[in-house]
Amino acid sequence: GENVEQHPSTLSVQEGDSAVIKCTYSDSASNYFPWYKQELGKRPQLIIDIRSNVGEKKDQRIAVTLNKTAKHFSLHITETQPEDSAVYFCAASMGAGSYQLTFGKGTKLSVIP
Amino acid sequence: DTEVTQTPKHLVMGMTNKKSLKCEQHMGHRAMYWYKQKAKKPPELMFVYSYEKLSINESVPSRFSPECPNSSLLNLHLHALQPEDSALYLCASSPEGTTNYGYTFGSGTRLTVV
Repeated sequence: GENVEQHPSTLSVQEGDSAVIKCTYSDSASNYFPWYKQELGKRPQLIIDIRSNVGEKKDQRIAVTLNKTAKHFSLHITETQPEDSAVYFCAASMGAGSYQLTFGKGTKLSVIP
Repeated sequence: DTEVTQTPKHLVMGMTNKKSLKCEQHMGHRAMYWYKQKAKKPPELMFVYSYEKLSINESVPSRFSPECPNSSLLNLHLHALQPEDSALYLCASSPEGTTNYGYTFGSGTRLTVV
């Protein structure tokens, strides 16, 4: 089955700096890669996703890049703010016809004011 | 309505109790999921319902029993749980049976087994 590795497990940045979280996946058939943000005591929320026919996607301060050849994808957050502090999970899915998301172990991001 | 609603938000139950968790969505999603999440861990898939039929059971112990009465509702019946079953139980839904659009998670039920 699919295996998703996520690094780092914890990340501290100064407010205004950039944060990068990286994930690798094992199954070359995976073609959909969402990122979830989970604040303490709250539900995971989808913040951005990318499909395997796209190399990069941006949404304001958040961007995701995908390298299919190397089987890795990354989340980039620019101009970090204290409200970006949360646990971020990457995930991989084989897309259409698949019900399952395989999650990475999560990255706890702390933005220091 | 773009939400998945779960009730109750918190539940404390004894090991001999029977209780149920409820999940409701009105987005027309045809796939619904139960996940279990322990502290500082990613969500773990338990069950998947697609078009109201159970399509995936991730070898979950029989003390957890899912039910999908209709396309908008999903229940999880609990009986004779163990303290190690204490966790956040998350319901999620997605359009049809695909994950191409990501999940919408409910707020979860925080379960404590005493």
